[in-house]
Amino acid sequence: QVTLKESGPGILQPSQTLSLTCTFSGFSLSTYGMGVGWIRQPSGKGLEWLANIWWDDDKYYNPSLKNRLTISKDTSNNQAFLKITNVDTADTATYYCARIALTMMVPSFDYWGQGVMVTVSS
Amino acid sequence: DIQMTQSPSFLSASVGDRVTINCKASQNINKYLDWYQQKLGEAPKLLIYNTNSLHTGIPSRFSGSGSGTDFTLTISSLQPEDVATYFCLQHNSGSWTFGGGTKLELK
Repeated sequence: QVTLKESGPGILQPSQTLSLTCTFSGFSLSTYGMGVGWIRQPSGKGLEWLANIWWDDDKYYNPSLKNRLTISKDTSNNQAFLKITNVDTADTATYYCARIALTMMVPSFDYWGQGVMVTVSS
Repeated sequence: DIQMTQSPSFLSASVGDRVTINCKASQNINKYLDWYQQKLGEAPKLLIYNTNSLHTGIPSRFSGSGSGTDFTLTISSLQPEDVATYFCLQHNSGSWTFGGGTKLELK
């Protein structure tokens, strides 16, 4: 059974660094073809893809946020991480992590976490 | 960057209706497009991957079509439990992009 769960600080101040953790089970990020992605959603708005990390440590970032994002993984502990530097109120959102699996060599977000709310406020 | 334009933004339909939702890519994405359903207060859920492949457990009334730049999600006979917001996602390159979403309500 695949599960993912996000955790984060809840609230932080502008200019701080947001650190998010995705703890998962039911798969390994050392398995060929597996990946984890981060997606966010401001309240009442659409989804924004942020970053992906793959089993081979390949990383991809949203170009509009690339200089602020760092994605990483701890394969031994089944965790993936996302850091966003210099946050402001526009980063207030629910943040999701999702498993990326290859089906016939095509990727998709096939399992999602429940999401964690993050508020940036002074 | 590839932009995804989804239409309509809002859709009202009756139970039993055939519903179509569209996504247009700013450039050719081959068939690298998924559809996700998000019910109120829940995380998104994968419906269709690679344009037209139904994810495990998804009812057959959902289908997808298209290629290149134009894609469609079809619900053949709308059910009350299909009330949700639907998003497309392109993954033709390392950088992925969601469409803006279509909120589907019952008339």
